[in-house]
Amino acid sequence: EAQVTQNPRYLITVTGKKLTVTCSQNMNHEYMSWYRQDPGLGLRQIYYSMNVEVTDKGDVPEGYKVSRKEKRNFPLILESPSPNQTSLYFCASSFRTGVGDEQYFGPGTRLTVT
Amino acid sequence: QKEVEQDPGPLSVPEGAIVSLNCTYSNSAFQYFMWYRQYSRKGPELLMYTYSSGNKEDGRFTAQVDKSSKYISLFIRDSQPSDSATYLCAREGDKLIFGTGTRLQVFP
Repeated sequence: EAQVTQNPRYLITVTGKKLTVTCSQNMNHEYMSWYRQDPGLGLRQIYYSMNVEVTDKGDVPEGYKVSRKEKRNFPLILESPSPNQTSLYFCASSFRTGVGDEQYFGPGTRLTVT
Repeated sequence: QKEVEQDPGPLSVPEGAIVSLNCTYSNSAFQYFMWYRQYSRKGPELLMYTYSSGNKEDGRFTAQVDKSSKYISLFIRDSQPSDSATYLCAREGDKLIFGTGTRLQVFP
């Protein structure tokens, strides 16, 4: 089954404790990205990657890191999480980044930072 | 001003009603628009995409773009309880820019 998987689905952590949210896709997609979704603000892009070893900042990259060492994986790293990073996070992938390319979203990771 | 604006709702309608969901956009340079549907506790999934002006129909769903007024609409005919979800409009170009989503509740 074609899918984007994320782990963990739910995470509660404390300020400053490094964490990684994994993302994997099995569709051989070149393009992957991370979004956060907040009430009243909608989906905002954090980082994206157009291919292996190619990553770039989205609209809200502060406090996040990513890496793309393999085509299928695109982990999101929070080196020192803060309460304002409490949010619902989605990983997404698409074949390309051209117009009309559907982005496939993962099921989401709900993160709470206390 | 946000690039894509959307009324958050919630919108509550009886089963069988015609639903109209709307967005406005600010940058007329972009011509591809998408509608994503997001069920509770799930990721968004593409419902329809449309290019430039005009209508696109897919079953009970019709997407419409009015370039002159910078308006994007999604119409749902014969709405069903299974249509209850959040609907996100998005404009595509250099990247996807989403509206905040409109929550729709269809009650039996």
